[in-house]
Amino acid sequence: DTGVSQDPRHKITKRGQNVTFRCDPISEHNRLYWYRQTLGQGPEFLTYFQNEAQLEKSRLLSDRFSAERPKGSFSTLEIQRTEQGDSAMYLCASSLRQGKAYEQYFGPGTRLTVT
Amino acid sequence: AQRVTQPEKLLSVFKGAPVELKCNYSYSGSPELFWYVQYSRQRLQLLLRHISRESIKGFTADLNKGETSFHLKKPFAQEEDSAMYYCALSGGNSWGKLQFGAGTQVVVTP
Repeated sequence: DTGVSQDPRHKITKRGQNVTFRCDPISEHNRLYWYRQTLGQGPEFLTYFQNEAQLEKSRLLSDRFSAERPKGSFSTLEIQRTEQGDSAMYLCASSLRQGKAYEQYFGPGTRLTVT
Repeated sequence: AQRVTQPEKLLSVFKGAPVELKCNYSYSGSPELFWYVQYSRQRLQLLLRHISRESIKGFTADLNKGETSFHLKKPFAQEEDSAMYYCALSGGNSWGKLQFGAGTQVVVTP
């Protein structure tokens, strides 16, 4: 297991197009998180799953964003009708639930550029 | 509202000098605090967490609930410590979800 993987690593799209990103967590991890990071800022929480259940969504996640984790393994994040403000690094992380303090393992990120 | 503040965007220190990265938080309960680090061209990774009370790569951080701070310290900086450091908080109804500060870029010069 080489850790959390994300695909694609880079995506350039035109405004108004739909994009989908994939995250493969560490295999035994039951929690999966999505974050967004813009230039000069720390990662901002978007949503997370425990197994296949989506437990929380940030107010940052407008109705153009949807995330799934259908079998409790990989997850997809889809952005519909992309806007230039969606340009950011999208990070995925996974963790094994053990007590309160979960160490999150991050993927390399998908850099989205909306032109 | 919970918030994590890292007041320094950039910290430049000489090799062998002490380094301290400041982190202040606002939270009404008892949060879990973390430091994450991102080295050049690498992914974000956990450096240390307050409940472990451990020293990693010579770094320590003490949670001060009175001052709501979780400053990261190292007595003698090394060139390999050059990286981006993020303070993060978890708590409330969503244990595990992390709220990050804006980050501090540390540059250690020889």
